[in-house]
Amino acid sequence: EVQLVESGGGLVQPGRSLKLSCVASGFTFSNYGMNWIRQAPGKGLEWVAYISSGSSYIYYAETVKGRFTISRDNAKNTLYLQMTSLRSEDTALYYCARHLGAGGFDYWGQGVMVTVSS
Amino acid sequence: DIQMTQSPSFLSASLGNSITITCHASQNIKGWLAWYQQKSGNAPELLIYKASSLQSGVPSRFSGSGSGTDYILTISNLQPEDIATYYCQHYQSFPLTFGSGTKLEIK
Repeated sequence: EVQLVESGGGLVQPGRSLKLSCVASGFTFSNYGMNWIRQAPGKGLEWVAYISSGSSYIYYAETVKGRFTISRDNAKNTLYLQMTSLRSEDTALYYCARHLGAGGFDYWGQGVMVTVSS
Repeated sequence: DIQMTQSPSFLSASLGNSITITCHASQNIKGWLAWYQQKSGNAPELLIYKASSLQSGVPSRFSGSGSGTDYILTISNLQPEDIATYYCQHYQSFPLTFGSGTKLEIK
């Protein structure tokens, strides 16, 4: 069974940093691109970042470019999102999701909440 | 960047009826479109990919169509468990973007 489990969220002050993790199981993690997607409270979905299976290709949304860094450790089956210079508008539920080869995100974690507030 | 315009924002329909949700892309996305269902308090689930391919395990009541810039999600024979918010998403190029969502209510 495919499972994605996020962790590392919490309450953080504006301008500070936080690192999210997503541990994958039930599939060969190193064969799949992975994404972070977020959802602000009561709002829609916003794609944040993508990393290819071997980390060769990385893309970011403009809203986080230069502040967030996506990475992965295929030996540990773990995806990361390093978030710096956090702003109140980064407050959201952050999901990791597997990239289906034919397109779309076929498996999602349950999400981890990040709240940026003083 | 490609913008996705989804309509309607809200939809109310009766059990057993059919509904359609539309998504318009700001440029040709060549069928690289997915549809998701998000039930309250849950993560989204993939319904359709490549505009019309049904994801494994998804009931055949769900179908997708379209090409170029215009796409449709159809749900036939509405069931109580279809209460959810539905999103389209393109993956023609980065950055990936979602539609604003359609909240479906059962009358």
